[in-house]
Amino acid sequence: NAGVTQTPKFQVLKTGQSMTLQCAQDMNHEYMSWYRQDPGMGLRLIHYSVGAGITDQGEVPNGYNVSRSTTEDFPLRLLSAAPSQTSVYFCASSISTGAGANVLTFGAGSRLTVL
Amino acid sequence: SQELEQSPQSLIVQEGKNLTINCTSSKTLYGLYWYKQKYGEGLIFLMMLQKGGEEKSHEKITAKLDEKKQQSSLHITASQPSHAGIYLCGADIVAYKYIFGTGTRLKVLA
Repeated sequence: NAGVTQTPKFQVLKTGQSMTLQCAQDMNHEYMSWYRQDPGMGLRLIHYSVGAGITDQGEVPNGYNVSRSTTEDFPLRLLSAAPSQTSVYFCASSISTGAGANVLTFGAGSRLTVL
Repeated sequence: SQELEQSPQSLIVQEGKNLTINCTSSKTLYGLYWYKQKYGEGLIFLMMLQKGGEEKSHEKITAKLDEKKQQSSLHITASQPSHAGIYLCGADIVAYKYIFGTGTRLKVLA
């Protein structure tokens, strides 16, 4: 059972370049989400999805796009990378969409550096 | 502003010592979750607390949620080097939107 798989693990971009961070889960989870982790800031929610075709913004959505065409996949797109997007990105999923019962399963993370 | 305040930010303890990490919210929480992150890796779920006054234990780790569901503590008894890592509390104050504390870095000296 693979759980949540993120690719790539490491990426270096130049300012202005675009890229997609991939996230796939094989647990048939309805809820999927993306976070960024920065020193002193903890984890902050970027975007989330409660099912195929349904996405919404989190706390820090600017500069990022998402789509959810299948239950399994939830890619995060950076349209024009900026140095402020240098961070570690985590994808997480959950079987439940109800508040108070939402144990998240995390991927191993993707470390992105924007020069 | 940080909706989940976590303290202390870092902790260095001698092996065998007990320690406590706190997580405080200004709002009532639907649920409070504790995760552990090893350096350079993803987060691993430890425990979930849903009811006011609830307490759960797993091996040498005990987590409690106060009656008002605004504060939680994570207590480690007789710490070991394997307990080292970053401990994060998480909560869903609003449905579908999960927030996290800034984390507590724990180092256990052998």
